[in-house]
Amino acid sequence: KAGVTQTPRYLIKTRGQQVTLSCSPISGHRSVSWYQQTPGQGLQFLFEYFSETQRNKGNFPGRFSGRQFSNSRSEMNVSTLELGDSALYLCASSGDFKNIQYFGAGTRLSVL
Amino acid sequence: GQQLNQSPQSMFIQEGEDVSMNCTSSSIFNTWLWYKQDPGEGPVLLIALYKAGELTSNGRLTAQFGITRKDSFLNISASIPSDVGIYFCAGRTNAGKSTFGDGTTLTVKP
Repeated sequence: KAGVTQTPRYLIKTRGQQVTLSCSPISGHRSVSWYQQTPGQGLQFLFEYFSETQRNKGNFPGRFSGRQFSNSRSEMNVSTLELGDSALYLCASSGDFKNIQYFGAGTRLSVL
Repeated sequence: GQQLNQSPQSMFIQEGEDVSMNCTSSSIFNTWLWYKQDPGEGPVLLIALYKAGELTSNGRLTAQFGITRKDSFLNISASIPSDVGIYFCAGRTNAGKSTFGDGTTLTVKP
C-alpha cells in the first residue's frame, strides 16, 4: 500500500502570496489532518477533515484553510503569507480501526 | 487544552548505551503513540499502545502505557548511530484528537 503523499516537497514564496499544498492519504483512509512544524514549536495541529467535512480545528488564523475531496485527497491553503509561516507542513491520514495517524514526508515552505 | 510534557528535551549518548524518555499529561489518553522523525522527513510510527499497563517491544525499542493512562515511556537499548533523530510521543483520545509532545532530540556519538 502506498503511504501518504505530499506535494510539493519544497516551496519558496514571498510575503503576501498564497500557497496551496496537497496531500493524498493512504488508500482507504478517510481522515486527513494537517500540522505545522517549526523548530522549538513542535507539531501544531491545524485541522482535520473526515469525509469532506472539517471535524476538528486548531488555533490558527483564518488565513489557513483546507478542504477535502470525495476521494479523500486534501488541500491546505495559506493566503497572505507571512515570514512566520515558514515551516514544515505535515499531513497525516488515519482510517484503520485503531485510528493511528500515518504521516507524509511534509512540504517545506519558505517565505521570503 | 491537553498538553504533553516530554522529557528530556535532548540527549547526547555514546553508542551502545541505553536511552529512556517519557511523556506525562494531566489528561487521560486512550492510545499512546511513539514516533521518530529524521531531518526533513515526516514522523514514522514506532510503537502504538492501546491498554493501560501494556508493555510493547519493537526490536530494541520498548514502550509502556502508564497505569494511570496519563503517561508513557520509551526505552531504546544498545543505541546505534542510526537511532539519531527526534522522538515524539502522542496521546490520542477516542474522539480522534491527537496531542503531541515537543520531542526528544537524540544524538548518538560513535
